[in-house]
Amino acid sequence: DSGVTQTPKHLITATGQRVTLRCSPRSGDLSVYWYQQSLDQGLQFLIQYYNGEERAKGNILERFSAQQFPDLHSELNLSSLELGDSALYFCASSDQALRGETQYFGPGTRLLVL
Amino acid sequence: AQKVTQAQTEISVVEKEDVTLDCVYETRDTTYYLFWYKQPPSGELVFLIRRNSFDEQNEISGRYSWNFQKSTSSFNFTITASQVVDSAVYFCALGPEYNFNKFYFGSGTKLNVKP
Repeated sequence: DSGVTQTPKHLITATGQRVTLRCSPRSGDLSVYWYQQSLDQGLQFLIQYYNGEERAKGNILERFSAQQFPDLHSELNLSSLELGDSALYFCASSDQALRGETQYFGPGTRLLVL
Repeated sequence: AQKVTQAQTEISVVEKEDVTLDCVYETRDTTYYLFWYKQPPSGELVFLIRRNSFDEQNEISGRYSWNFQKSTSSFNFTITASQVVDSAVYFCALGPEYNFNKFYFGSGTKLNVKP
């Protein structure tokens, strides 16, 4: 158990809908990262937050957004969903105070868009 | 440019065989960190090891060992006496020392260990 929690575990929705994925980092970790894992794209970095502020952006679509709250949990919002958004979405956390930070991953949320 | 290459897409071995998973990386950074993660069929990503670029000593943890060679930009992972529970997708990853902005994963190697 990495200490990172993600809810829900599974999500089935329809095209055009909006969903919110939630992540709670390990105790003491200030950084949260979101990744998308799909069969054709592999593991892709989406976005990073550090202590409530956006720190880095990767291959995140404009239809997607995220935020990190004062209690350090984070939410990833996916809107106007398309079939191609079906994927496993991971959250990871780290203590960025350490050099060469190690990211610990949550169990993932499996999203299926029908 | 930063890049991680895992050329072996899928490997199949029989239980108790030794197997090596290759990882080759590219980076312009002088200091960097390398990682291996395991993704079993259940789907979660499990951290296995972190190695910094200044430490080229091989590391052994039980049946797992890692060989880091800076001269060839490789960070290979060997499982000795493989077991069925080792069946998973293994990812190699590259990260910077500070001011993280991207974490580069390889495409993964799927290991099938047959009884």
